[in-house]
Amino acid sequence: EVRLVESGGVVIQPGGSLRLSCEASGFTFDDYTMHWVRQAPGKGLEWVSLISWDGGVTYYADSVKDQFTISRDNSKNSLYLQMSSLRFEDTALYYCAKGVRGSYYPFDHWGQGTLVTVSS
Amino acid sequence: SYVLTQPPSVSVAPGKTARIICGGKNIGSKSVHWYQQKPGQAPVLVISYDSDRPTGIPERFSGSNSENTATLTISRVEAGDEADYYCQVWDGSSYQVVFGGGTKLTVL
Repeated sequence: EVRLVESGGVVIQPGGSLRLSCEASGFTFDDYTMHWVRQAPGKGLEWVSLISWDGGVTYYADSVKDQFTISRDNSKNSLYLQMSSLRFEDTALYYCAKGVRGSYYPFDHWGQGTLVTVSS
Repeated sequence: SYVLTQPPSVSVAPGKTARIICGGKNIGSKSVHWYQQKPGQAPVLVISYDSDRPTGIPERFSGSNSENTATLTISRVEAGDEADYYCQVWDGSSYQVVFGGGTKLTVL
């Protein structure tokens, strides 16, 4: 069974930095592209970033470019999102999601999310 | 960047057919994926590559894509289909995944 478990979400002040983690199990982690997707309270889904199976390719949404960094450690079956210079508008539930074999997308499995609240 | 437009809401009576549209410039040339999200839950892929149903998704769910509109069709709608539905594409010109704004399906 595929499992994706996010962690690291907290309440943090504007301007702060934070690292989210996603621990994967139930599949061969280093065969798949992984993604971060966020959802602000009461709003729709917003794609954040993707990283290829080997970490060689990364893409970002315009809204987080130069602010967030995606990475992965295949030896630990883990995905990360380093977030810096956090703003109120970064408040959201952050999901990690798994791509399908041979492609960046669609996302066939999602975690339950970790909540980041940017508040003074 | 590429924009996907969905109606905010669609209402349908039980047993009827719901059609949720996703508009985008020449979207017919892209692969469209659809997700269902129920309150308090993570999204679930219900249609991939315009019209493929992942394992476990009922045959009542189908999809199509042509010219400037992709459509998710839910036949014989049930109360349990009430959810938010999102379309998704890959924008190759900006190297970004794009979601539509989502459509809330209400079963009357």
